[in-house]
Amino acid sequence: DTEVTQTPKHLVMGMTNKKSLKCEQHMGHRAMYWYKQKAKKPPELMFVYSYEKLSINESVPSRFSPECPNSSLLNLHLHALQPEDSALYLCASSQPGGRYEQFFGPGTRLTVL
Amino acid sequence: GEDVEQSLFLSVREGDSSVINCTYTDSSSTYLYWYKQEPGAGLQLLTYIFSNMDMKQDQRLTVLLNKKDKHLSLRIADTQTGDSAIYFCAGILMDSSYKLIFGSGTRLLVRP
Repeated sequence: DTEVTQTPKHLVMGMTNKKSLKCEQHMGHRAMYWYKQKAKKPPELMFVYSYEKLSINESVPSRFSPECPNSSLLNLHLHALQPEDSALYLCASSQPGGRYEQFFGPGTRLTVL
Repeated sequence: GEDVEQSLFLSVREGDSSVINCTYTDSSSTYLYWYKQEPGAGLQLLTYIFSNMDMKQDQRLTVLLNKKDKHLSLRIADTQTGDSAIYFCAGILMDSSYKLIFGSGTRLLVRP
């Protein structure tokens, strides 16, 4: 099983809402990532969790709050977002060491009104 | 830091070969990858090449690596309409972050 799943597929939220994005993998990977991707651009790294601990925060605004409840799950909590935060949010996982290859989920298309 | 560049657009006829090019600045990446992204979808890992290899072939895909020129290419043989997508090359930063550094992406359009 080389699948990373993400829910929901689409999300529309207002600037005062609180919502969460979810990501799950069952490949036994111990590193998980959140990326943000704007149209026609490459993904931009937001956060990295390694062995369930936050190892990288790419200076992301605090209105984005990641959480890694266990080695298979990764959440991204959203609060008081801005319209410019509308994007495709991608989750990825990898096994530290080896070929370092990252496997991506299908993404959540987020629209902030 | 690492910088990865790609040409923005490539158009080919169905059945022809496609060659997508990538240049990078940091030669310390142990692995280099090619990802495919179809509209509205996530990134699909197509293939990788280890830095001590010159070439890797995987069915219709051939990856060439020229370390001296810091040039990576992906050749798709017998290109099909289903190959139409954006292709990203990426290298891994071999510091403690192991971050992926992506190129800007090449949009491949396959004409019937």
